[in-house]
Amino acid sequence: SAVISQKPSRDICQRGTSLTIQCQVDSQVTMMFWYRQQPGQSLTLIATANQGSEATYESGFVIDKFPISRPNLTFSTLTVSNMSPEDSSIYLCSAGQGAGTQYFGPGTRLLVL
Amino acid sequence: GIQVEQSPPDLILQEGANSTLRCNFSDSVNNLQWFHQNPWGQLINLFYIPSGTKQNGRLSATTVATERYSLLYISSSQTTDSGVYFCAVERRTSGTYKYIFGTGTRLKVLA
Repeated sequence: SAVISQKPSRDICQRGTSLTIQCQVDSQVTMMFWYRQQPGQSLTLIATANQGSEATYESGFVIDKFPISRPNLTFSTLTVSNMSPEDSSIYLCSAGQGAGTQYFGPGTRLLVL
Repeated sequence: GIQVEQSPPDLILQEGANSTLRCNFSDSVNNLQWFHQNPWGQLINLFYIPSGTKQNGRLSATTVATERYSLLYISSSQTTDSGVYFCAVERRTSGTYKYIFGTGTRLKVLA
């Protein structure tokens, strides 16, 4: 299994600003993903963070709004840009060590005022 | 895209009761996982179960891939079982894969 940490654990931000969320895995992993979970809802995949290349975004999510970096096999960042109250959610990082397994970080709780 | 529906959406049980949660998916999948999201928001892996049946203590799961559904059984429920249960199906494309999450079942176990 993989142990995943995220920073910050929570934040309150003003509209129009940006927040960068960090995800650190305790071992090298093949795949890293970013999800959004809006209040009372299921998880929605934002993008797959690809090591050394541009992230692969799901329908409805764009790089300008959610730029992602993955400089190595244990670390990724997600930036939520030009935030609005609709961006208030839990943002979760996950890591996979091959198909069939997926582990999650504790999440970042974001409130945009 | 693939649809993943879970039922029931909400469930309230008395401690000690048994329950069955269902996950239906609209297309063939490579793998399926069940997760428990505890009241603090942490997602815990329960089962990786692309087919067949697995058991872990009071929990067991069955996936019938040919009929596109999976079941999670909780026996002798405890208050610590409260939270949201998600199934997630794996889809592979072009040498990579991703997980699509179901709609979730919110469980509350009363003491």
